Amino acid sequence: KQEVTQIPAALSVPEGENLVLNCSFTDSAIYNLQWFRQDPGKGLTSLLLIQSSQREQTSGRLNASLDKSSGRSTLYIAASQPGDSATYLCAPSGNDMRFGAGTRLTVKP
Amino acid sequence: EAGVAQSPRYKIIEKRQSVAFWCNPISGHATLYWYQQILGQGPKLLIQFQNNGVVDDSQLPKDRFSAERLKGVDSTLKIQPAKLEDSAVYLCASSLQTSYEQYFGPGTRLTVT
Repeated sequence: KQEVTQIPAALSVPEGENLVLNCSFTDSAIYNLQWFRQDPGKGLTSLLLIQSSQREQTSGRLNASLDKSSGRSTLYIAASQPGDSATYLCAPSGNDMRFGAGTRLTVKP
Repeated sequence: EAGVAQSPRYKIIEKRQSVAFWCNPISGHATLYWYQQILGQGPKLLIQFQNNGVVDDSQLPKDRFSAERLKGVDSTLKIQPAKLEDSAVYLCASSLQTSYEQYFGPGTRLTVT
């Protein structure tokens, strides 16, 4: 059974900082890994999807990496903005679909 | 392109009552997922459909929860009877095929009193 851990659980940074969110998973037999953001009271918005054959994926100020063999993924956010404040969730997709509990990010103006 | 639609957005019921949620996925998406998200936790997969068929329902409490997907499009999730611990947000998602990018609806917030 897949176990997903996200560290840290919460993070508060000043505007403009670069930051890294971590995701680890126990079963490396995955097809892909998806990163989402969730705003309070809302559904999940897909940010990036990395296929198991890829090492990283970029979209704007976001860069996600995947090391399947070690069971790790990171989400790098460059030049953070107050609008980036949200909960970020990772979800490796393999024989079953599991989500981490998320990292709650606050970017202070 | 229209996104995943869910209704109702909010529901308050008493324990032991029944409730149903509806989901309309993105047009052409063969795979549909129902998740339960308890406050402060990540979503938990309840059931996954591929067209009309169930792919994974290992975490669905089958004594009280049921789901169906008629004609491979819309889906309903039912709880009967509800318990206090069922209070959560119920999220529906869809993807073109299994293991493709998932797109989520806004969710239904259920409160059981």
